[in-house]
Amino acid sequence: GENVEQHPSTLSVQEGDSAVIKCTYSDSASNYFPWYKQELGKGPQLIIDIRSNVGEKKDQRIAVTLNKTAKHFSLHITETQPEDSAVYFCAAPALTTDSWGKLQFGAGTQVVVTP
Amino acid sequence: KAGVTQTPRYLIKTRGQQVTLSCSPISGHRSVSWYQQTPGQGLQFLFEYFSETQRNKGNFPGRFSGRQFSNSRSEMNVSTLELGDSALYLCASSWGSGSKNIQYFGAGTRLSVL
Repeated sequence: GENVEQHPSTLSVQEGDSAVIKCTYSDSASNYFPWYKQELGKGPQLIIDIRSNVGEKKDQRIAVTLNKTAKHFSLHITETQPEDSAVYFCAAPALTTDSWGKLQFGAGTQVVVTP
Repeated sequence: KAGVTQTPRYLIKTRGQQVTLSCSPISGHRSVSWYQQTPGQGLQFLFEYFSETQRNKGNFPGRFSGRQFSNSRSEMNVSTLELGDSALYLCASSWGSGSKNIQYFGAGTRLSVL
């Protein structure tokens, strides 16, 4: 099955600085990598995803990069704001079947943006 | 469009009891997946249902079970509750069960076992 490792576990940044979270995966056949943001008292919300046929994807202040050779992908948040404070999870599908039901999640990164 | 709805939001049970959690997916979504979230183990996959059939199952004991109805609503049941079952249980729905379907999560049901 898929193993997804995520670093760091906590990340404190000053408002306006950038934040980078990195994940590695084990199944070289994995082809879809979503990132979720979970705020206190809420379920995880998809913020960006990338498929294995591209190396980078951007959406305003958020970008994700993928290195298939090294089997790692990263989330980049630029110009951080206090509302970016949350727990961020990376994920990759276990490909024992074709089902997307079984996402393997990283352990999460607590991001704290201080004004 | 309404999101994924989970009920109840909070539950308190005692050891040995059983519990049933409910999940209403986004309208039109036919796949429902359940996850357990704890501080120590993170997000762990329980099972997925698609068109009333269990498609995938995680590594949880048989005390954890689920089902899906013809309207795609899903329930999960935990029997003979243990203290370690205390967790946030999350439901996620997607249009289909396959490699191109994004999962959308509900707010979860927080279960406390005393």
